[in-house]
Amino acid sequence: ETGVTQTPRHLVMGMTNKKSLKCEQHLGHNAMYWYKQSAKKPLELMFVYSLEERVENNSVPSRFSPECPNSSHLFLHLHTLQPEDSALYLCASSLEGSGTQETQYFGPGTRLLVL
Amino acid sequence: GQNIDQPTEMTATEGAIVQINCTYQTSGFNGLFWYQQHAGEAPTFLSYNVLDGLEEKGRFSSFLSRSKGYSYLLLKELQMKDSASYLCAVRDSNYQLIWGAGTKLIIKP
Repeated sequence: ETGVTQTPRHLVMGMTNKKSLKCEQHLGHNAMYWYKQSAKKPLELMFVYSLEERVENNSVPSRFSPECPNSSHLFLHLHTLQPEDSALYLCASSLEGSGTQETQYFGPGTRLLVL
Repeated sequence: GQNIDQPTEMTATEGAIVQINCTYQTSGFNGLFWYQQHAGEAPTFLSYNVLDGLEEKGRFSSFLSRSKGYSYLLLKELQMKDSASYLCAVRDSNYQLIWGAGTKLIIKP
């Protein structure tokens, strides 16, 4: 148990659907992240929220829309996705400004399949 | 560009020792992380190195040489449950984590 939960764990959606991924952290952290993990490729950072403000958006297509209503919750809203968006989507959190190593702790991920 | 290199796959025998290497070229350096990821599960934090040398944690040790842009993860007394992917990540000068593609470790009886 890493203290970061994600729902759903698996999702199959058509290209015209709208769905949302949810992440919740119970670690008292102040930064949250969305990553995309594709087979045999490095983790791709998508979005970073620090103190509920978005600080990073790595040229992610607009069909992915993040939302961070508070420091414990993070959403990724999905619409009109493409088959190449099929991947494992990982959420992570960390404690910034702690003066230590600011380790990121991950949730179990949502396995997304776009048909 | 920034780059992290690690072998794609390694095989080792139960009870043996294995060393997983990671080399990096990044814009600055603010620490190196190793994570373990079992299939279908979350990456879990294993170790952190920011100074040169060896950090030991039970059966796992991690080494760093900043001048060589090199790290390794050493796993001793291998157990079947150590079969997993091992991810190397470097924090650059912008405090961004740059990730390797991971090394899949297969343990055979």
